[in-house]
Order: sequence, then C-alpha cells, then structure tokens
Amino acid sequence: DAKTTQPPSMDCAEGRAANLPCNHSTISGNEYVYWYRQIHSQGPQYIIHGLKNNETNEMASLIITEDRKSSTLILPHATLRDTAVYYCIVRAYSGAGSYQLTFGKGTKLSVIP
Amino acid sequence: EPEVTQTPSHQVTQMGQEVILRCVPISNHLYFYWYRQILGQKVEFLVSFYNNEISEKSEIFDDQFSVERPDGSNFTLKIRSTKLEDSAMYFCASSLDSSPYPLHFGNGTRLTVT
Repeated sequence: DAKTTQPPSMDCAEGRAANLPCNHSTISGNEYVYWYRQIHSQGPQYIIHGLKNNETNEMASLIITEDRKSSTLILPHATLRDTAVYYCIVRAYSGAGSYQLTFGKGTKLSVIP
Repeated sequence: EPEVTQTPSHQVTQMGQEVILRCVPISNHLYFYWYRQILGQKVEFLVSFYNNEISEKSEIFDDQFSVERPDGSNFTLKIRSTKLEDSAMYFCASSLDSSPYPLHFGNGTRLTVT
C-alpha cells in the first residue's frame, strides 16, 4: 500500500496558487518524495521530486518539512489545464525497499474558473 | 521534449488470445517499466526491466505476462492468453537510470478483452 496520505479532493480558483498537502510520517531516510499527476485517462505525468530540500522547477514547487514527515506541492498560478489527480509517492533510492512507484488514490484537484 | 510512445492506443481482443503491447521508451533511458490501471482503480506496477532482465515484478505479473526488448528501441509486453480481467489501460514508462531518477510515462494502450 501507498505510504502517503492525501485529501481526496480540493478546489482552487483559476489564477490562484494551489497548495496540495501530503503526509508521509513513516518516510525512511532512503526515500524521496515524488509528485505526479494524471489528467483524465492519460499517463501519469512527472512533476517534481525531492529528498529534504525544497525544490522548484517550471511546473511547481515542493516544500518538505524539516522532519520530512509531510510535504506540499505548490502550483503557483493554477489554470484549468491543471485539473487532474495529483499523486504524492515515496520511493526508495538505496538499500532496502522497492524502487518502484506505488500509486495511491491521490488528490483530485479541480480548478474553477 | 522526448517522450515515451505507445502503440496501439486502443486494442480489442477476444478472451484467450495473445496480445502484444508496444512501447518506444525515451532513447537514452536504461530502465523500462509497465504499469496498468483498471478503470476507476489505482495505477499498479507490473514489472521493471534493465539490462535485458527483469529487475522487479509484482504479484500481478504472473506466467501469463512477459516482457522483451527485441531491438534497440522497442519494449513490449505480451499477455499470452488474455482474460476479461486483463482489460485495463497499460502504461509504459522509462527512466534514465534507477531511483531516484523519475519515471516518464506514455499515454497508454487501452486493452479491451471481450
């Protein structure tokens, strides 16, 4: 089973920042946090990943708490095209544990005009 | 931007028939994966492949399934004798190297078994 907890759904007004939370209180020291999204029935789209430092790319920012037990994905200016299911996933990168992505149910983000 | 491509986008087959799903991963990637998503359910890992060998597989990936990299560009998933419950979206993915490199997914093949 997925080792993360996300709210099942969220709404965001178009043009505003969307802040999607994720709880991963049992994360191990050898696990990264990844965010993917899935628009309708398309393939999951990679957004961003991080270990302990905050990360930013052209799509989003990832804020990881100092104890690494939770994180927030920030879409700075949400558009209608950002309506999707967003998945927060932890994945090992060394040592014990599966190196695969285990998808949960994610958060269904609806961007409202 | 390079992308993973999958063909066909939709395949219909009869129960008991063999089906091959095809994928062209991103050209310089070394790891290849298959995932599936039954309608309305989670995306599930099937198998990962590296250096012409299966590196990990899930319980779903039983003897009915096989994977192959027949040449330098294609990666295939074969289902030997399809069952109704194999109906799903099948996603291929590739990554530059092992974790923590992210996986990049194709847009899937919708398999319908009748």
